[in-house]
Amino acid sequence: NAGVTQTPKFQVLKTGQSMTLQCAQDMNHNSMYWYRQDPGMGLRLIYYSASEGTTDKGEVPNGYNVSRLNKREFSLRLESAAPSQTSVYFCASSPPRGSTEAFFGQGTRLTVV
Amino acid sequence: QQQVKQSPQSLIVQKGGISIINCAYENTAFDYFPWYQQFPGKGPALLIAIRPDVSEKKEGRFTISFNKSAKQFSLHIMDSQPGDSATYFCAPQYLEGGYQKVTFGTGTKLQVIP
Repeated sequence: NAGVTQTPKFQVLKTGQSMTLQCAQDMNHNSMYWYRQDPGMGLRLIYYSASEGTTDKGEVPNGYNVSRLNKREFSLRLESAAPSQTSVYFCASSPPRGSTEAFFGQGTRLTVV
Repeated sequence: QQQVKQSPQSLIVQKGGISIINCAYENTAFDYFPWYQQFPGKGPALLIAIRPDVSEKKEGRFTISFNKSAKQFSLHIMDSQPGDSATYFCAPQYLEGGYQKVTFGTGTKLQVIP
């Protein structure tokens, strides 16, 4: 099983450019998440999708949009990148029943110059 | 409001020693208490987790101790090895509206020296 797959792994953007980070999971999980990881701040939730067709804001949603394309895929879009969005982005998924572990992708390291 | 406080930020331990990382929380709704391990360039992966109906869980060299009344839980790594060098996150959570509402600690960078 591939688990959670993210693309790309690395990206450099200029300020004002847009891009979409892709995420797909093959575990038939209902819930999917986008986090950003910054030094000394742990992981912070950007957006989540509890099920296909629904999305909700997390802790730090400003400057981002998401699309839950189907049960497998959950994308994160930066419409106009800013240097403050330089970070490592992780997609994760989890099954819906009860509190249980989240499965993370390998991450996308994004630099905005 | 900082709901989760993880300490220490960094830890250096000799090979064979005991590594201890602590996590204090405020939200009594949390009902699942995992520790994640993250190696450089990789995503976090579940290491060990505990539910609040038990006070301790052991898996090999890794033990979680849970103190519900003090709202604290800790990770103990016995016989620490260089391969344990990684960043560790506590991530207490509960289920709300069909998704896992997780609060990550700020992480502890562990270095095990030979």
